[in-house]
Amino acid sequence: GAGVSQSPRYKVAKRGQDVALRCDPISGHVSLFWYQQALGQGPEFLTYFQNEAQLDKSGLPSDRFFAERPEGSVSTLKIQRTQQEDSAVYLCASSLRAGIAKNIQYFGAGTRLSVL
Amino acid sequence: SQQGEEDPQALSIQEGENATMNCSYKTSINNLQWYRQNSGRGLVHLILIRSNEREKHSGRLRVTLDTSKKSSSLLITASRAADTASYFCATRLGTLQGAQKLVFGQGTRLTINP
Repeated sequence: GAGVSQSPRYKVAKRGQDVALRCDPISGHVSLFWYQQALGQGPEFLTYFQNEAQLDKSGLPSDRFFAERPEGSVSTLKIQRTQQEDSAVYLCASSLRAGIAKNIQYFGAGTRLSVL
Repeated sequence: SQQGEEDPQALSIQEGENATMNCSYKTSINNLQWYRQNSGRGLVHLILIRSNEREKHSGRLRVTLDTSKKSSSLLITASRAADTASYFCATRLGTLQGAQKLVFGQGTRLTINP
């Protein structure tokens, strides 16, 4: 595709609900990242995939957060039993190859999650 | 927590003036990148400078890197209204396959007044 696509763009959830956020990376991109961006802050790393393998999930804030990329393309970030502190913009990024320092990450527009 | 801090947090200048933003970071890096984010949008990559480089140019952008001070600056010359956005520095910590993530600063909100 032309760019990284994320859906939905906006999601309102009641506290305790489960949510699923989708990311379609640029076609052929090996690496996929999820970041969380609180209001007025910079993005913070959540997790990283190389193809279907989740190589780094050190940024996931709790075991309520789960990400998958089963076929090495589309990825889903799932948040169970949402809490108000989960309210943020969730950004997905992809890059062409892995293990190359100068790889540029291409970002989607993000999903804005509001937990009421 | 985030790697570094950006200064200033907000900057408002007149169109045509130059804008300078600074970024400090804490640990050794492989490279440092600058991204722009328009309101409600994703981040757009602007420029990358490697740890063994001191200065880099791209169009109206000039980036410097001082690894001894763990700091970088982004200069936008002859600013335009379309440059209004938030600007983030991001560091890449290593080259191992597991060390792929970017660590972002808190950002500078730049407003260009017509």
